[in-house]
Amino acid sequence: NAGVMQNPRHLVRRRGQEARLRCSPMKGHSHVYWYRQLPEEGLKFMVYLQKENIIDESGMPKERFSAEFPKEGPSILRIQQVVRGDSAAYFCASSRGQGSGQETQYFGPGTRLLVL
Amino acid sequence: DAKTTQPNSMESNEEEPVHLPCNHSTISGTDYIHWYRQLPSQGPEYVIHGLTSNVNNRMASLAIAEDRKSSTLILHRATLRDAAVYYCILRDPSEGGGNKLTFGTGTQLKVEL
Repeated sequence: NAGVMQNPRHLVRRRGQEARLRCSPMKGHSHVYWYRQLPEEGLKFMVYLQKENIIDESGMPKERFSAEFPKEGPSILRIQQVVRGDSAAYFCASSRGQGSGQETQYFGPGTRLLVL
Repeated sequence: DAKTTQPNSMESNEEEPVHLPCNHSTISGTDYIHWYRQLPSQGPEYVIHGLTSNVNNRMASLAIAEDRKSSTLILHRATLRDAAVYYCILRDPSEGGGNKLTFGTGTQLKVEL
């Protein structure tokens, strides 16, 4: 059984470029979550999506960041005009259903973004 | 959101039991207690969760205080592969917050030979 897959695993961008991070959830999972971990800090929730819908984006920066989870294909986290402060590890998680307090989230290996 | 308090770090010797404490004095009646861990350079991994009763699975045991204001994750025999940051997380489905995980700073567990 394939787990949550993320690609690329490492991404280097120059300031001002765009970064696209992809996440394929586990088979049978229709709920996707994105988290960011800045260097030497804990993980912070960014956004929660179901197929074609953003459910909770309370952790997303207001500008330059967007996320989607189309009917077909992986979830995409897009960062426009990257700045050095965007350098971090971005983790995707998936779950089978919505949060009931018991739902387990399964995490991918992360994408490590470095902005030069 | 109810918050959790964990020690920054703990040390253990290999093959010995480890008790990782978590205080959550403002826990609500509907909050589930979850534990995740993050090994170096990896994504977080689910360990265990519970509501009121103690829980056991193949990875660990979770002991929940009778008043639910604290809990303890128990690794029965620590191995070098258990060296990780362990996060204690409360999840309240009644407020719709059951979807996202709110990570604190966790406890860095070091395991020595």
